[in-house]
Formats: sequence, C-alpha cells, structure tokens
Amino acid sequence: SYELTQPPSVSVSPGQTARITCSGDALPKKYAYWYQQKSGQAPVLVIYEDSKRPSGIPERFSGSSSGTMATLTISGAQVEDEADYYCYSTDSSGNHVFGTGTKVTVL
Amino acid sequence: EVQLVESGGGLVQPGRSLRLSCAASGFTFDDYAMHWVRQAPGKGLEWVSGISWNSGSIGYADSVKGRFTISRDNAKNSLYLQMNSLRAEDTALYYCAKDGYQSAEYFQHWGQGTLVTVSS
Repeated sequence: SYELTQPPSVSVSPGQTARITCSGDALPKKYAYWYQQKSGQAPVLVIYEDSKRPSGIPERFSGSSSGTMATLTISGAQVEDEADYYCYSTDSSGNHVFGTGTKVTVL
Repeated sequence: EVQLVESGGGLVQPGRSLRLSCAASGFTFDDYAMHWVRQAPGKGLEWVSGISWNSGSIGYADSVKGRFTISRDNAKNSLYLQMNSLRAEDTALYYCAKDGYQSAEYFQHWGQGTLVTVSS
C-alpha cells in the first residue's frame, strides 16, 4: 500500500524556520496537502495543492514540492505553531493517504 | 461559516452496528464531495470513506470495505456512515470533512468529531 513518510519530530526555536518533509513515490504526479492538528482539536488545512495557502492561514506557512518530496516550511515559527502536522495525498489508484505525522516543538 | 456537526458515536459491542451522521451548514452542500476520516486514540489520521457531490463516486479504505457504507442526503444537508460488524480496531474519533471540489480530492473543512468505542 502507498505510504507517505514524515520525520517523527522537529524542534525549532521561536523565530527560526522549521521544515517538515513528506516523501512519497506518487508525489511527482499528485498534489500534497498539509494539516495542522493542535492537541485536542480537529485538523486544520494549512497548505493545499502543494503550495497554496487557505484564507486565514498566516503567511509564515508555505509549501513546496519537488520530485518525490513535499515540504512544509514555517518561517519565523511561533509558540502557537506547536502541533502535529500531517501531509496528505493520493496515489495512482485513488487511495487517500495521510503521512505518518510530525510533532513540531517550538522552544 | 462552514459548520460540520457529527453525531451518533458511542460505546458498542464488537460485531454490532452504529450509524454516524454529519449535519452540514454554511455552504452549498450538494456542490461538494464529503468524507469520513478517523483517528484512533494517540494515533495518526486515517481516511475512511469519501463520496462525490452526487453520490456517483464512492470509495472506501481497505480496512472498512464491505463493512461500512457512506451515503448522503443533499435535501437534508447530511452525510452518513453506516458501520456494521464493528471491531475493536474501529475505535476512534470519527471526523466528517468537506472537500474542496465536487469529486473526492482533499479535506478543506473538518467537524469536531464523534467518538466510537468498540468494546465488550
């Protein structure tokens, strides 16, 4: 079955840049999406179609994709950005798959 | 404002059935695909099922295929998930999610979830 692989954790100091990667064989042909999930809350879409930011999402969140890897970048991370982040995509068979998740710690 | 309110969760014995509902408001319901996504306690997100705007295209995760049935009633702005032959591994918080398109592509907005616990 299709898998999207993320690092389990990323730590960043406030004001610094955090980068979260997502690796998947179908990413050259499929969009990547990114979700933020704070403790005890529902997920929130922060990036769609590789690099588009929904309204209301701060500009410090950006996305990119190249080859088999998509990346979520948080430029100037804030304490309130501490959360779990999941990438999401589909494969050539139409399976909907979430990444393994990355816990971002800002301290 | 998009609102998705799930209901129908609870404690159920293995092998029994449960039906989840999702009441949608704040958008034109029949313009968008809808999904169910679940999250087991302390675990990651898992897509369960999706349905296109007109119910013409439906998909299921392998883990629930043959046991769960997704449906929608556009006249009532509601999404449903009929869950049969429930197993302990189905225990999770079940989220209703609105797509950004008519066909099942991604999850633009999420509800707060309804908890399903399968245990004897």
